[in-house]
Amino acid sequence: RKEVEQDPGPFNVPEGATVAFNCTYSNSASQSFFWYRQDCRKEPKLLMSVYSSGNEDGRFTAQLNRASQYISLLIRDSKLSDSATYLCVVNPDNYGQNFVFGPGTRLSVLP
Amino acid sequence: GAVVSQHPSWVICKSGTSVKIECRSLDFQATTMFWYRQFPKQSLMLMATSNEGSKATYEQGVEKDKFLINHASLTLSTLTVTSAHPEDSSFYICSARGTGATQYFGPGTRLLVL
Repeated sequence: RKEVEQDPGPFNVPEGATVAFNCTYSNSASQSFFWYRQDCRKEPKLLMSVYSSGNEDGRFTAQLNRASQYISLLIRDSKLSDSATYLCVVNPDNYGQNFVFGPGTRLSVLP
Repeated sequence: GAVVSQHPSWVICKSGTSVKIECRSLDFQATTMFWYRQFPKQSLMLMATSNEGSKATYEQGVEKDKFLINHASLTLSTLTVTSAHPEDSSFYICSARGTGATQYFGPGTRLLVL
């Protein structure tokens, strides 16, 4: 089993739609979790950290379920500019070592 | 804040030459820097982790003599691809971590070996 798994997609959704991605991880001792966004031929950029209590940043909501070992990202009112690959990242410790990247989920928001 | 730069942004070279890529944290001190490689349509794969002033830790399958990493200061790490071959063509991305757990990525370097 891979350490971090994501549905690669692509998810093709119309503008304004709500879309959700899930990510599962195998290491139950993992300490910190992130969603990164990567545009085509660009570097990953931090979208948001994922906290146990769940957190929201504008149209983006991230949740963590430790018991089931999955992380989710919800995007509301999707924009064309949201088209990108979303990377789930799991860190086994709190020191930023050994980031483990999921394969990414590709999102295309269509006009 | 948390800006990481990489230079050069792209390189085209002949097979057999060595290529040096610089990674700099511009507005924070990076105790740890990471080097990743990404092939088309694949996710990032960690190559090595470097801490300032010490030898890099390489991931399994990554040749340390081929990918030389130097982390001479808290703001600079370099990756040298020695005797590059076409199969080394890839997108090389560095990241830097300060005091927290978040890694901040450089813009990447595209290497094409002919």
